Amino acid sequence: DAGVTQSPTHLIKTRGQQVTLRCSPKSGHDTVSWYQQALGQGPQFIFQYYEEEERQRGNFPDRFSGHQFPNYSSELNVNALLLGDSALYLCASSVSTGREYEQYFGPGTRLTVT
Amino acid sequence: LAKTTQPISMDSYEGQEVNITCSHNNIATNDYITWYQQFPSQGPRFIIQGYKTKVTNEVASLFIPADRKSSTLSLPRVSLSDTAVYYCLVGEGYSSASKIIFGSGTRLSIRP
Repeated sequence: DAGVTQSPTHLIKTRGQQVTLRCSPKSGHDTVSWYQQALGQGPQFIFQYYEEEERQRGNFPDRFSGHQFPNYSSELNVNALLLGDSALYLCASSVSTGREYEQYFGPGTRLTVT
Repeated sequence: LAKTTQPISMDSYEGQEVNITCSHNNIATNDYITWYQQFPSQGPRFIIQGYKTKVTNEVASLFIPADRKSSTLSLPRVSLSDTAVYYCLVGEGYSSASKIIFGSGTRLSIRP
């Protein structure tokens, strides 16, 4: 049983560009959450998707958007990249009917903005 | 969401028992206490969750006093592979609309 997978593993972009990160949840999970983790910091909640809709959102600008597909996979899009967007982006999946705090995280995508 | 306070870092030696305490003075009646472990360049991993008294699984134990204003994660006989960052989180464990808020965590270093 595959866990949460994310692609790509690493990515280098230039300021002003746009980026799309992808996530496939653990089998049987229907809820996907995205987090940004800067070096030496704890993960910061970006938003959560359930039933193809954004259900919760953290304190992130509209440059950060997402999507969830019928197969529960998800994308995170970031427009007009800034140097400060350089971070590890984590995807976590969970079951909507289960304990929301028992989330399964993927290995992350390391984004570097130059 | 209740704010949590935990030590920034801790050091210990292989074979020792390690206890990491987390303070959460404003915990609400419906809140659960959850701990995650994170290795470098990996996503956090769920360790244990509890509401009151004591919870034990194959990895750790979680001790929660009656007033629930603090909790202690206990790792028995640690090894070098337990070197990681440990996060204490407090919130509604069963809410389908809850979001997880991570603090800065405790950086645990295990020495030979």
